[in-house]
Amino acid sequence: ETGVTQTPRHLVMGMTNKKSLKCEQHLGHNAMYWYKQSAKKPLELMFVYNFKEQTENNSVPSRFSPECPNSSHLFLHLHTLQPEDSALYLCASSQGLAGEGTQYFGPGTRLTVL
Amino acid sequence: EDQVTQSPEALRLQEGESSSLNCSYTVSGLRGLFWYRQDPGKGPEFLFTLYSAGEEKEKERLKATLTKKESFLHITAPKPEDSATYLCAVQGQVDYKLSFGAGTTVTVRA
Repeated sequence: ETGVTQTPRHLVMGMTNKKSLKCEQHLGHNAMYWYKQSAKKPLELMFVYNFKEQTENNSVPSRFSPECPNSSHLFLHLHTLQPEDSALYLCASSQGLAGEGTQYFGPGTRLTVL
Repeated sequence: EDQVTQSPEALRLQEGESSSLNCSYTVSGLRGLFWYRQDPGKGPEFLFTLYSAGEEKEKERLKATLTKKESFLHITAPKPEDSATYLCAVQGQVDYKLSFGAGTTVTVRA
């Protein structure tokens, strides 16, 4: 595997389900990010991790819970989601401290909440 | 707060018909301006970073330029494979977060 990978690529869940999104970067980067992309809207930054430590929570509802066990892996745990949470969820990584390098993105997880 | 506005929202071109995309921005001290390409159902793919006014970068049929208020992405003699959404983002000196525009969707017809 190369670059940034995300699984699953597609996810359909009910509002009462609990699921997790996984991201893995194979670039040796130190910073990782979660973004939300809704149709016709700019990418919205959700969370930022530097060397496994969360440095940013961009006013994200608590039904989204990130986890970063090491610099290569990032998870987004989902529970009690709403239909308006349906979107493309993108993971990105960058070299050095958050913001110091170019961000490289994974292919995204297309989430549909019924 | 940093702001990015991209225009037009959509652009339909005939193969070989050159055109330009605009990215207007306001930022408290520019750290970098980034261009990405995004294909449907995929993540953004990095194209260029521009750091200062007057800077230009090229990659195949794409050329990005930067002024103090805006950036242009010029597409020369486009081909159908250039069809994609092009995203612009800025990063300020104060806040490391990337602020993205909504994108320009380019469709190139053969």
